[in-house]
Amino acid sequence: GDSVTQMEGPVTLSEEAFLTINCTYTATGYPSLFWYVQYPGEGLQLLLKATKADDKGSNKGFEATYRKETTSFHLEKGSVQVSDSAVYFCALSDTGRRALTFGSGTRLQVQP
Amino acid sequence: GAGVSQSPSNKVTEKGKDVELRCDPISGHTALYWYRQSLGQGLEFLIYFQGNSAPDKSGLPSDRFSAERTGGSVSTLTIQRTQQEDSAVYLCASRSGTDLTQYFGPGTRLTVL
Repeated sequence: GDSVTQMEGPVTLSEEAFLTINCTYTATGYPSLFWYVQYPGEGLQLLLKATKADDKGSNKGFEATYRKETTSFHLEKGSVQVSDSAVYFCALSDTGRRALTFGSGTRLQVQP
Repeated sequence: GAGVSQSPSNKVTEKGKDVELRCDPISGHTALYWYRQSLGQGLEFLIYFQGNSAPDKSGLPSDRFSAERTGGSVSTLTIQRTQQEDSAVYLCASRSGTDLTQYFGPGTRLTVL
């Protein structure tokens, strides 16, 4: 079945550091890929998405590119802020029911 | 507009009791999903409703779990004879027919004592 693997956390960075959170997937067909974020005490929110190979999703300074050849969707941000501290989930949706398969989540802690 | 709402926000119950969790999706969204977020299992899909079609129940962990969606809108997830391993946050999400994005509610935290 479909699966998503993302790097273990927590990831601790200083403010203005460069962020990469790795995500790879296994799926049949051509899934869509997502990054969701969960801020402390809040619900899951879509951060960005990409629906086909070589698409780049971007939002709030975060970017991720759908790489079919490496089955990856790594999340990057050039300069993190304290307010980016949250748990980040990589996910894919199948082409049928569109249910999401999530990775285990990566906690990011940004220190001032 | 209003987002996905869920009630109650917290539920504490005793082992063996039945519980009902409610989800109000975004108006007009035809697809509705239930997920469970637990420490041991992460985020996992439970059930999917699309319009008036029969639901996809393939993610339900046991026959103690059931769900219905009335009038294509509100959904109720029922857990019968609750067990301690059912303790988790239950999340509801909805999606329009033309959008891949699922919008999540705040969740119901279920604690089974």
